[in-house]
Amino acid sequence: NAGVTQTPKFRILKIGQSMTLQCTQDMNHNYMYWYRQDPGMGLKLIYYSVGAGITDKGEVPNGYNVSRSTTEDFPLRLELAAPSQTSVYFCASSYFPGVAGASYEQYFGPGTRLTVT
Amino acid sequence: DQQVKQNSPSLSVQEGRISILNCDYTNSMFDYFLWYKKYPAEGPTFLISISSIKDKNEDGRFTVFLNKSAKHLSLHIVPSQPGDSAVYFCAASDRGSTLGRLYFGRGTQLTVWP
Repeated sequence: NAGVTQTPKFRILKIGQSMTLQCTQDMNHNYMYWYRQDPGMGLKLIYYSVGAGITDKGEVPNGYNVSRSTTEDFPLRLELAAPSQTSVYFCASSYFPGVAGASYEQYFGPGTRLTVT
Repeated sequence: DQQVKQNSPSLSVQEGRISILNCDYTNSMFDYFLWYKKYPAEGPTFLISISSIKDKNEDGRFTVFLNKSAKHLSLHIVPSQPGDSAVYFCAASDRGSTLGRLYFGRGTQLTVWP
């Protein structure tokens, strides 16, 4: 049981290039999330998905796109990379958040460190 | 606008003593709170959580306290160990309307020295 895996671990992009950050989970979670963490800041939600074929924007979606064709995979696409997208990107997954009183947590991958120069 | 705030960027504690990490929130709709621990070059790992229907939750050396009227929660680690040195993130969720989205604080770097 690998949990949440992310590839690549590191990447340097030139301004204007594009790339896809891969995320896969093997826990059969319906909910998946992409966050970015800038230095000295908390994690901010980019996009999330509540199941295959269903995605929605988070707090900071500009410059990114996602798709969810399977339960396991939730890739994040960067088009026309900009220096402001230099960050560490984390993918997470969870079961349905449930109702009041039920326990709930998100499981995180190890992150992708992206530098845009 | 930061809905979850961790006002102390760092905390230094001697091994064996208590570590107290604090977190404040502004959204009264938050009904679930979590603490995550993060080592360098790794993803955050879940530590402990508390629902808004409780005011305390304990798991071994870790206890989370929730004061809803003050919109404040704290994480107590007793006794602190050098392996606890990490960044601790407080997170909150309004599970009913935000589908489990987590709002994170900026984190507190805990250093436990021998």
